[in-house]
Amino acid sequence: ELKVEQNPLFLSMQEGKNYTIYCNYSTTSDRLYWYRQDPGKSLESLFVLLSNGAVKQEGRLMASLDTKARLSTLHITAAVHDLSATYFCAALSSNYKLTFGKGTLLTVNP
Amino acid sequence: DTAVSQTPKYLVTQMGNDKSIKCEQNLGHDTMYWYKQDSKKFLKIMFSYNNKELIINETVPNRFSPKSPDKAHLNLHINSLELGDSAVYFCASSQGAPGEEQFFGPGTRLTVL
Repeated sequence: ELKVEQNPLFLSMQEGKNYTIYCNYSTTSDRLYWYRQDPGKSLESLFVLLSNGAVKQEGRLMASLDTKARLSTLHITAAVHDLSATYFCAALSSNYKLTFGKGTLLTVNP
Repeated sequence: DTAVSQTPKYLVTQMGNDKSIKCEQNLGHDTMYWYKQDSKKFLKIMFSYNNKELIINETVPNRFSPKSPDKAHLNLHINSLELGDSAVYFCASSQGAPGEEQFFGPGTRLTVL
């Protein structure tokens, strides 16, 4: 059974700093997704990573995928308060189920 | 012009009652899903339908029964509600076969008293 582990689960950052969230998954997966969830809100799709070495960037967020290491990273550059949210990675299993990590609660402080 | 909508947004009910949550998507997607997010924000898939056919049926109590009258709608009926059913339930949809990028509805917060 596919397991997805994110770390850290809690991340308190200062504005302007850089940090990385890690997402490890236990078995082969064809696709890796990153979602953002604001408090009391729905999940917003950020990135879809389809192949080894895939890198996608949107604003201050950059996601990458290493399928050999079964690792995806979400890198935050020069954090701003608006990035405060919970970030989830999710991996697709061979039976098409999306398995989510526990989420990383990111707080960006001034 | 909401893409994936759910009703109601909040649902407060007593133990033992039966309730339904409705989901509609206007994206023309073929696959729809129900997820449960517990109090620790952990998200777990419950069901998935592709063109009205059940394709994912996770280990959930049989008090939960999904129904898809057409590919734009996926409803969730829950019988004999229990305290542990309190959670946020999200509907999602994706284009084509399961596994494509999923778009989530706003969620329904269910509180069982």
